[in-house]
Amino acid sequence: DAGVIQSPRHEVTEMGQEVTLRCKPISGHDYLFWYRQTMMRGLELLIYFNNNVPIDDSGMPEDRFSAKMPNASFSTLKIQPSEPRDSAVYFCASTSDRGHYGYTFGSGTRLTVV
Amino acid sequence: AQSVTQPDIHITVSEGASLELRCNYSYGATPYLFWYVQSPGQGLQLLLKYFSGDTLVQGIKGFEAEFKRSQSSFNLRKPSVHWSDAAEYFCAVVGTNAGKSTFGDGTTLTVKP
Repeated sequence: DAGVIQSPRHEVTEMGQEVTLRCKPISGHDYLFWYRQTMMRGLELLIYFNNNVPIDDSGMPEDRFSAKMPNASFSTLKIQPSEPRDSAVYFCASTSDRGHYGYTFGSGTRLTVV
Repeated sequence: AQSVTQPDIHITVSEGASLELRCNYSYGATPYLFWYVQSPGQGLQLLLKYFSGDTLVQGIKGFEAEFKRSQSSFNLRKPSVHWSDAAEYFCAVVGTNAGKSTFGDGTTLTVKP
């Protein structure tokens, strides 16, 4: 398995533009997580899905953020409109067995909003 | 509610010296415990995990961790640190019926030559 695949690896966009981050989890994993990491706030859980259904989105900072998981092999995190304070590294992770074997993280998307 | 505390924000050790990173957790029952490592520019990578059995668990890259129920701790150790071990280390806990992990704030390890 190629692991959790995120795209793009880097994204630079202008304030106000829409940004879409993509994630392909490991086949067979039924949990998918979106995290944001910054120097100031560390690693933050934004939202997670179980069997493609959003379970907890309490970490989504505001309505500008939305996430979808249309099928077991694909998820998106969208920011519209983007703001400079959204600049961060966004990670996707997946797991199975209720996380009892640990998570597999993607390499992340470094987002810069100018 | 479960929680994880990593008391040390930053640790510096000399190459070849031993290492211990501390982790304390709070959970009502025996949790699933993990250590992850994040090298610069990379995602988190699972080092090792514990749920039951031998309280000393071995992981990748020569790391080990010891579960101490009486102290609610799960400290990470390595006998001899290499320069390539410089990274950020995260402790995490998952409850028995949960899918969501709770992560500590991380400890940054610097290795002096």
